[in-house]
Amino acid sequence: AQSVSQHNHHVILSEAASLELGCNYSYGGTVNLFWYVQYPGQHLQLLLKYFSGDPLVKGIKGFEAEFIKSKFSFNLRKPSVQWSDTAEYFCAVRVGGFKTIFGAGTRLFVKA
Amino acid sequence: EAGVAQSPRYKIIEKRQSVAFWCNPISGHATLYWYQQILGQGPKLLIQFQNNGVVDDSQLPKDRFSAERLKGVDSTLKIQPAKLEDSAVYLCASSLNLFADTQYFGPGTRLTVL
Repeated sequence: AQSVSQHNHHVILSEAASLELGCNYSYGGTVNLFWYVQYPGQHLQLLLKYFSGDPLVKGIKGFEAEFIKSKFSFNLRKPSVQWSDTAEYFCAVRVGGFKTIFGAGTRLFVKA
Repeated sequence: EAGVAQSPRYKIIEKRQSVAFWCNPISGHATLYWYQQILGQGPKLLIQFQNNGVVDDSQLPKDRFSAERLKGVDSTLKIQPAKLEDSAVYLCASSLNLFADTQYFGPGTRLTVL
């Protein structure tokens, strides 16, 4: 069965620290990859996406993610986090063209 | 542009009661999704509509859950009868079409079953 694994459930960082959130998926076919974010009190919203082309994609607020096909991974990175990045981050994979599977999420807390 | 609207925002019921949630997607969005998000887990797709047709309902517990999108616009998700394990946030999302690159999520309905 298709699945998405996020390695860290909770991450605590100080401001200016670098961030990397892991995401692996299990599906052998073509995938579209997403990171969604949910800030406190807000709706889930798209952070960035990968469909094809350059495997390094850039999203909003300085986030980027790299698709490594051989590792079935799509890790999220940010060189220097801010307090306002405190949120829950979800990796998602679309398989079969239209079915989206979400990971369990990683809660990031950034200390000011 | 108005976002995805959901109501109610919160609902508390006792087990074996029934409950219904309503969703109004972004205008012009053909695809509508219902997700269940249990505490500590990611959203799980329950059902996906393209206009008023069902695209995927493979994870919908059909013995107690039902959903409809009769006119291809707003949608209702019903649980009858509810179980304790149905306590979750029910998220509605919409997208321009099946293959659109972005889903837009509503605020969700938090259901507590006692």
